[in-house]
Amino acid sequence: GAVVSQHPSRVICKSGTSVKIECRSLDFQATTMFWYRQFPKQSLMLMATSNEGSKATYEQGVEKDKFLINHASLTLSTLTVTSAHPEDSSFYICSATGRDTQYFGPGTRLTVL
Amino acid sequence: QKEVEQDPGPLSVPEGAIVSLNCTYSNSAFQYFMWYRQYSRKGPELLMYTYSSGNKEDGRFTAQVDKSSKYISLFIRDSQPSDSATYLCAMSVTPAAGNKLTFGGGTRVLVKP
Repeated sequence: GAVVSQHPSRVICKSGTSVKIECRSLDFQATTMFWYRQFPKQSLMLMATSNEGSKATYEQGVEKDKFLINHASLTLSTLTVTSAHPEDSSFYICSATGRDTQYFGPGTRLTVL
Repeated sequence: QKEVEQDPGPLSVPEGAIVSLNCTYSNSAFQYFMWYRQYSRKGPELLMYTYSSGNKEDGRFTAQVDKSSKYISLFIRDSQPSDSATYLCAMSVTPAAGNKLTFGGGTRVLVKP
């Protein structure tokens, strides 16, 4: 089946630092990857769409200078949370386009102290 | 009004019972429908993907789509405690691969031994 990994699974950082999260499609190539954010007991909120070799498309209200997305290859997209603050603490999930639909990574829990 | 409505639950059933989940939607342009299962602190796992009205069966899972009523359902037969999770419906206007998904809020299911 289609496998998507994320690294790290959990990260704790100090306020003001930057954190990079990797999303990889392990057994297929994904021209499009998506980044979501999920708060406790809430559904997924789409942050941005990442296309290989081009700039990401951000959803309304998402700061593109704060959430930097790079999709350098067909199997890797990265999300960098710059100058993180406690309100950025959340569960970040990526998905990658497979043969027919989207497959999700296991998520990364970010805690900003 | 949200584009996709889903009862948050929790839905509690005894082991072996049928679990019945549903979502309603307002955008008649949605043509592709998915059900995902999400365990606590994990990424969503694709269960079913359909794009036509009617039923689709896969093991203990049956997905139903009624486009005329803008209503989709997921049935889980012979439920097990391991089915305890949050179930998310998702839908898209164009094929889900590479395109934006709109999620319901998720229904939390508890299967009691």
